[in-house]
Amino acid sequence: EPEVTQTPSHQVTQMGQEVILRCVPISNHLYFYWYRQILGQKVEFLVSFYNNEISEKSEIFDDQFSVERPDGSNFTLKIRSTKLEDSAMYFCASSQESGSAHEQFFGPGTRLTVL
Amino acid sequence: QKEVEQNSGPLSVPEGAIASLNCTYSDRGSQSFFWYRQYSGKSPELIMSIYSNGDKEDGRFTAQLNKASQYVSLLIRDSQPSDSATYLCAVNKRGGGSYIPTFGRGTSLIVHP
Repeated sequence: EPEVTQTPSHQVTQMGQEVILRCVPISNHLYFYWYRQILGQKVEFLVSFYNNEISEKSEIFDDQFSVERPDGSNFTLKIRSTKLEDSAMYFCASSQESGSAHEQFFGPGTRLTVL
Repeated sequence: QKEVEQNSGPLSVPEGAIASLNCTYSDRGSQSFFWYRQYSGKSPELIMSIYSNGDKEDGRFTAQLNKASQYVSLLIRDSQPSDSATYLCAVNKRGGGSYIPTFGRGTSLIVHP
């Protein structure tokens, strides 16, 4: 069964460093998402991406964040200058449907630890 | 008012019982509603989606939606210890041009043998 994959599973970085989190969405899906979940808290929407551009973004997704689909398979989230409060699980998700249906399938996540 | 509200629990039910999980949402324009299951340390896993008022059944799971009351629920029949997890309610609310998925904090379910 096709699934969303994410690498790395765990990333440790120093405050102020740049990190790139990678995702390979399900191959025939058209909509891509990034979420974060701080330990013990709810899943928070960061950004959605469709047709090579951002569809929606939350207040969390400020100028320190960017997304890219550099080729036909990868979808990346870059954090330019990490802060301690960026420590969280980052989930990538993808969906096939258009409109509001958007049944999303999540990857296993990347645990980001900022020291 | 929180956008998507869930009782954090834990909700404890005996094996074989019906577990009832509830969720309310604030945006009347929301069109799509989802239930995810999340085991500790894992990613959310889609269980059910519902778009119209009424009930939708899939195996042991039934989702119920009442848009007038802004209420969505999930019933789990014949609960099993393996159902013990956090259940997340998610609502697609309308954004600037598309939809913004909004999650509740989740309800912790414990099914005891």
